[in-house]
Amino acid sequence: KAGVTQTPRYLIKTRGQQVTLSCSPISGHRSVSWYQQTPGQGLQFLFEYFSETQRNKGNFPGRFSGRQFSNSRSEMNVSTLELGDSALYLCASRVGGSRNTEAFFGQGTRLTVV
Amino acid sequence: GNSVTQMEGPVTLSEEAFLTINCTYTATGYPSLFWYVQYPGEGLQLLLKATKADDKGSNKGFEATYRKETTSFHLEKGSVQVSDSAVYFCALSTTNAGGTSYGKLTFGQGTILTVHP
Repeated sequence: KAGVTQTPRYLIKTRGQQVTLSCSPISGHRSVSWYQQTPGQGLQFLFEYFSETQRNKGNFPGRFSGRQFSNSRSEMNVSTLELGDSALYLCASRVGGSRNTEAFFGQGTRLTVV
Repeated sequence: GNSVTQMEGPVTLSEEAFLTINCTYTATGYPSLFWYVQYPGEGLQLLLKATKADDKGSNKGFEATYRKETTSFHLEKGSVQVSDSAVYFCALSTTNAGGTSYGKLTFGQGTILTVHP
């Protein structure tokens, strides 16, 4: 069974540009969440999608957005990149939306903003 | 709001030593508690979980008991191995005020564990 796939694995972007990251969840999983991981702030929740609807959103500026497609694949977009957006972005998928279900994480996309 | 506090790291141990990583939480609703592990260059993997008070989660020799009275979920292992070297995250997922369950995980800051031969 394939795991959670995130593409690309590494990205280097210039300040002011925008970027789109992709996440393919495990087959049959309907919930996809995104997290930002930095040395200073740790793991912070960005948003969760379930059956193409955003169910929950973290405390990030509007430059961070996402969407989920009918096949459960998800994308997140960051516009007008800032140096502080440099981070590891992790995607997690769950079979359902319950608090009890295990989240399976991808290997992440390492974004560097220069 | 919800929060998770882990003991300060890093933790350095010799092989076969006893491990404890403390974790306490603050949460509304009915939280489920998790320990995730992250190996270098990898995403997070679920190590164990507990979904209600007094539940004990266990996996690969690691254990943690959901203590509602002390709002704690400490991770323990009786004899660590070099291969256990990684970053360990305590996390919770809970319901909102209306009882709706969400998949959002709130993480502690992580504890770096290094085990020497």
